[in-house]
Amino acid sequence: DAKTTQPPSMDCAEGRAANLPCNHSTISGNEYVYWYRQIHSQGPQYIIHGLKNNETNEMASLIITEDRKSSTLILPHATLRDTAVYYCIVRVGAMDSNSGYALNFGKGTSLLVTP
Amino acid sequence: EADIYQTPRYLVIGTGKKITLECSQTMGHDKMYWYQQDPGMELHLIHYSYGVNSTEKGDLSSESTVSRIRTEHFPLTLESARPSHTSQYLCASSEYSRGGGYTFGSGTRLTVV
Repeated sequence: DAKTTQPPSMDCAEGRAANLPCNHSTISGNEYVYWYRQIHSQGPQYIIHGLKNNETNEMASLIITEDRKSSTLILPHATLRDTAVYYCIVRVGAMDSNSGYALNFGKGTSLLVTP
Repeated sequence: EADIYQTPRYLVIGTGKKITLECSQTMGHDKMYWYQQDPGMELHLIHYSYGVNSTEKGDLSSESTVSRIRTEHFPLTLESARPSHTSQYLCASSEYSRGGGYTFGSGTRLTVV
């Protein structure tokens, strides 16, 4: 799986948009970008994933550059409850039944949302 | 609403005891995983399973063992607990229809004294 690079920490004011970057310059054509977050040592929570196109759901938006070498997770209106460690993970899609690759979470970005 | 359940939530046990950490999911997911995480540190994959009667070791070497006799159940066993096993153990499952997104349990925080 392609390696990802994330800043170790970021701050964001409550109510503002939080933009979390991720570099994955060695990503392959069949690899997806996944985002998870972990709040205070709870089990990580799935946020969103994408292959080529930008994606949006009720939690966040995922913007993937045209060359797919980087992406940005956007939390449009950050709240104090969004304080967490955010993980950007690149791996082959699970639609390949022989892939079997588990997620490697890495160090992630520790996001602190301040009042 | 949790669809994957881990018990116990906290466990303090003496050295040398045998323990089993339970993990069950009601979603019919085929793939299940165990991760180990020390406070403030990364998650490390220690075991995974593609389905019934399938188990594999993960990236981090672990003295624990796992079994997958039923789709919904993926217990982890330590035959003889040691203080070095003190950690948080997180169970997860995944399926194809959500692109392989994982659902995690709440974890078991194990302390061996």
